[in-house]
Amino acid sequence: GENVEQHPSTLSVQEGDSAVIKCTYSDSASNYFPWYKQELGKGPQLIIDIRSNVGEKKDQRIAVTLNKTAKHFSLHITETQPEDSAVYFCAASPRGGNTPLVFGKGTRLSVIA
Amino acid sequence: ETGVTQTPRHLVMGMTNKKSLKCEQHLGHNAMYWYKQSAKKPLELMFVYSLEERVENNSVPSRFSPECPNSSHLFLHLHTLQPEDSALYLCASSQTRSQPQHFGDGTRLSIL
Repeated sequence: GENVEQHPSTLSVQEGDSAVIKCTYSDSASNYFPWYKQELGKGPQLIIDIRSNVGEKKDQRIAVTLNKTAKHFSLHITETQPEDSAVYFCAASPRGGNTPLVFGKGTRLSVIA
Repeated sequence: ETGVTQTPRHLVMGMTNKKSLKCEQHLGHNAMYWYKQSAKKPLELMFVYSLEERVENNSVPSRFSPECPNSSHLFLHLHTLQPEDSALYLCASSQTRSQPQHFGDGTRLSIL
């Protein structure tokens, strides 16, 4: 089955710097890759997603890139702010659509003011 | 406000108790999910319902029993749980199984 690896497990950056979180997946048929942000005491919230027919997607300070050949995708956060501090999860939809997501283990991001 | 409401937010129970977790979604979605979130582990999918029919059960112990009476409500009935069942239980919904999932804020369950 699908396996999603996420790195790093923890990440600390200075406010204003960029943060990058990387994920790899094993099932080449996966075609949907969402990213979730989970703040303390809350459930995961979808922040951005990408499908396999595009290589990059951007939404203000957040961007996601996908390399299908290498089977990896990354989350980029620019100009980080303290409110970006949270746990971030990547996920992949194995066997393409209509199948449940497989999640990475999460990255705890701390933005230091 | 995510559109997915879970109650209770916290639950402490003994191993011999019976309790139920409730999830309600106000998004008009057709698929609902139960996940278990434990420390330092990936989110574990427990059950998937699509149009009120269970379509996936990821080898979850029988002490967890789901119920989906309609497309807006999902329950997780608990009985004779073990200490290792202590975790955050998350409910999610999506328009279809291939659409993005929206999560509730979870029920923090502690088994004494």
